[in-house]
Amino acid sequence: LAKTTQPISMDSYEGQEVNITCSHNNIATNDYITWYQQFPSQGPRFIIQGYKTKVTNEVASLFIPADRKSSTLSLPRVSLSDTAVYYCLVGEVKRDDKIIFGKGTRLHILP
Amino acid sequence: DAGITQSPRHKVTETGTPVTLRCHQTENHRYMYWYRQDPGHGLRLIHYSYGVKDTDKGEVSDGYSVSRSKTEDFLLTLESATSSQTSVYFCAISEGRNEQFFGPGTRLTVL
Repeated sequence: LAKTTQPISMDSYEGQEVNITCSHNNIATNDYITWYQQFPSQGPRFIIQGYKTKVTNEVASLFIPADRKSSTLSLPRVSLSDTAVYYCLVGEVKRDDKIIFGKGTRLHILP
Repeated sequence: DAGITQSPRHKVTETGTPVTLRCHQTENHRYMYWYRQDPGHGLRLIHYSYGVKDTDKGEVSDGYSVSRSKTEDFLLTLESATSSQTSVYFCAISEGRNEQFFGPGTRLTVL
């Protein structure tokens, strides 16, 4: 199983771009990288998923270098409502039984 | 949002009593999961199911059992609740593309 390492917490200010990096040195060929967001008292919510290079949706961008040993979730122009815990997961599509959530990164947005 | 509900949403029980939590989905997704979330531990997988009557253990399965007799229902049972099982329990569903949809959670307190 590919283990992930993320910062435990981060602070940023409203309007800034926030980048959260996840390390996954033993990622396997068939593994995808997925990020979830969790607000207090709610279940996690899927944000974005990618395999290589760059993926962008209406919420975030995901940057994955060629060696795929790390990935960076980029949140543009954050607001106070982006304060949440962000989880990086690595696993094989169609093998959800191998997905493991770690402790995530607690992002705190300041006014 | 995915059609996934959990019941009860809150429960207080006493040590040694049996407890059953129910997860119900209307999405006909193949995979279903039970997680627990505790401060300092993030989300930890208890059990999962990859089809009717097909279940397997996660990383913290001791003291828990599950059953899935229908596609839409996944039950988590604590045969004899202990104080260490006080937690927030989340159910999730997926179709094998690494994107899991989470329920609203059940807050269980064992006195």
